[in-house]
Amino acid sequence: TQLLEQSPQFLSIQEGENLTVYCNSSSVFSSLQWYRQEPGEGPVLLVTVVTGGEVKKLKRLTFQFGDARKDSSLHITAAQPGDTGLYLCAGGDTGRRALTFGSGTRLQVQP
Amino acid sequence: DARVTQTPRHKVTEMGQEVTMRCQPILGHNTVFWYRQTMMQGLELLAYFRNRAPLDDSGMPKDRFSAEMPDATLATLKIQPSEPRDSAVYFCASGLVLAGGPGNEQFFGPGTRLTVL
Repeated sequence: TQLLEQSPQFLSIQEGENLTVYCNSSSVFSSLQWYRQEPGEGPVLLVTVVTGGEVKKLKRLTFQFGDARKDSSLHITAAQPGDTGLYLCAGGDTGRRALTFGSGTRLQVQP
Repeated sequence: DARVTQTPRHKVTEMGQEVTMRCQPILGHNTVFWYRQTMMQGLELLAYFRNRAPLDDSGMPKDRFSAEMPDATLATLKIQPSEPRDSAVYFCASGLVLAGGPGNEQFFGPGTRLTVL
C-alpha cells in the first residue's frame, strides 16, 4: 500500500513568515501533485511535478519533487492570510491511474 | 467555465435510509472518482471509472455502497442502508487520463456533506 505522510499536520504562523510543508513516502511515484482546499470546497490543483529534482514556482509558492520521486516539498514565502487552507499532496501511479493522497497540512496565516 | 457539479450539497438523513449522491463531471473528461473525506481518515478513494467502466472500487464497503455511471454526464454514489459512520463529505472528481500521460490531474466538485443521525 502506498502511503504519503505530510508534516507538519498543523501550522499557524503570522503574515509575512516563510514556511515549508513536507510530503514523504517510501514508494516511488510517477508524478506528485499539490492541492489546496478551502472550507466548504473541494481541493484545487496547484501544481504537478513529474521529473525527479524538478522545481516549479507559482508566485510565492515553490514546489520541489525529490530526486528519487519519493518525496516533495512546498515552500511559501511571505505567507498571506489568503494562503490559509488545507494543503494536500497526492502521488500518481501510472499503473493504478488513481492518486494517493497525503494526510494534509492545515495552514492558518494570521494577519 | 467548466467545473464538476455535485448534488445535493448537504444531506441529513436517519440511519437506515437510502442516500443517493450525484455528480456531473467536466465534459470531455474520461475518468471519474469518488472520495470520502473525514477529519480522522483524510481523503479516501472509494471508486473510480474510466470511460464509464468501473476500474477500482476496492475502497468502497460493497455491502452498502454502490457507484454507477448511467451515462457520460452522470455518476452516482448510493448508500443503502446508511449508518452514522458514513457521515462525511463525499467528493466527486473528474480528469482526462491519456495513455502515457505524465500525471492524473483531477478536478474536484464542491462535495456533498452527509450527516447520518
